[in-house]
Amino acid sequence: DAGVIQSPRHEVTEMGQEVTLRCKPISGHDYLFWYRQTMMRGLELLIYFNNNVPIDDSGMPEDRFSAKMPNASFSTLKIQPSEPRDSAVYFCASSFGGGKNEQYFGPGTRLTVT
Amino acid sequence: EDQVTQSPEALRLQEGESSSLNCSYTVSGLRGLFWYRQDPGKGPEFLFTLYSAGEEKEKERLKATLTKKESFLHITAPKPEDSATYLCAVWGGATNKLIFGTGTLLAVQP
Repeated sequence: DAGVIQSPRHEVTEMGQEVTLRCKPISGHDYLFWYRQTMMRGLELLIYFNNNVPIDDSGMPEDRFSAKMPNASFSTLKIQPSEPRDSAVYFCASSFGGGKNEQYFGPGTRLTVT
Repeated sequence: EDQVTQSPEALRLQEGESSSLNCSYTVSGLRGLFWYRQDPGKGPEFLFTLYSAGEEKEKERLKATLTKKESFLHITAPKPEDSATYLCAVWGGATNKLIFGTGTLLAVQP
C-alpha cells in the first residue's frame, strides 16, 4: 500500500486566497483525521470522519476552515480566506476501527500564507 | 480537560548513553496511550500502544512503560539513527480523538 497520500506537499499563497489541501487515506480504513502542527501548539486535531461522516469538528479554528469527505478514498480541507496565522504543517491520518488502533499519517502539507 | 505533558523538551545523548523520556497525562478514563516517532519533514510514525497500567512493550532499543499517571520511553544504547522527535498521545473518554503532547526532540551524537 502507498500509505496516506497528501497533496500538495508545499503551498505558498497570499493572504485572502483560498487554499485546498487534499488527502487519500489508506484503502480499507474507516477513520480519517486532519491535524495541524505548529512549533507553538504542537499537533492539534482539527476534525475527524468515520465512514465519510464528520464526527467531531470542535478543533476547527473558525468558519474559514471547512472539510469534506465525499467518498472513502478522498478528503479535502479548505481554508477561505487564508490568513498568515494559518501557516503550519497540515497532516492527514487514517486508521481502522477508531481510537484503539494506530493512526497512519501522511507526509503533510506545509502551508505558508504571506 | 485532557492534557499531555512531555519532558524534557529536548535531549542530547552520546551514542550508547541510555536515558528515558517522560509523558505525564491527565485524562478522564484512559483507554490507550500511544508513542510516535517523527523525523524532520515527515509525518509521525507509530511505535507503541499501551492500554493499562503495568503494561510494557519493546521494539529494538526502545521500551515503553505505563503507570496510572505517566508513561516512559526508555532508550537503551541509542544510535544516531534514533535521533527524532518522540510524541506521546492519549486516547480517553467516549471519543476516538488522540490528544498529543508537544514532543521530545532527541539528538544522539556519534
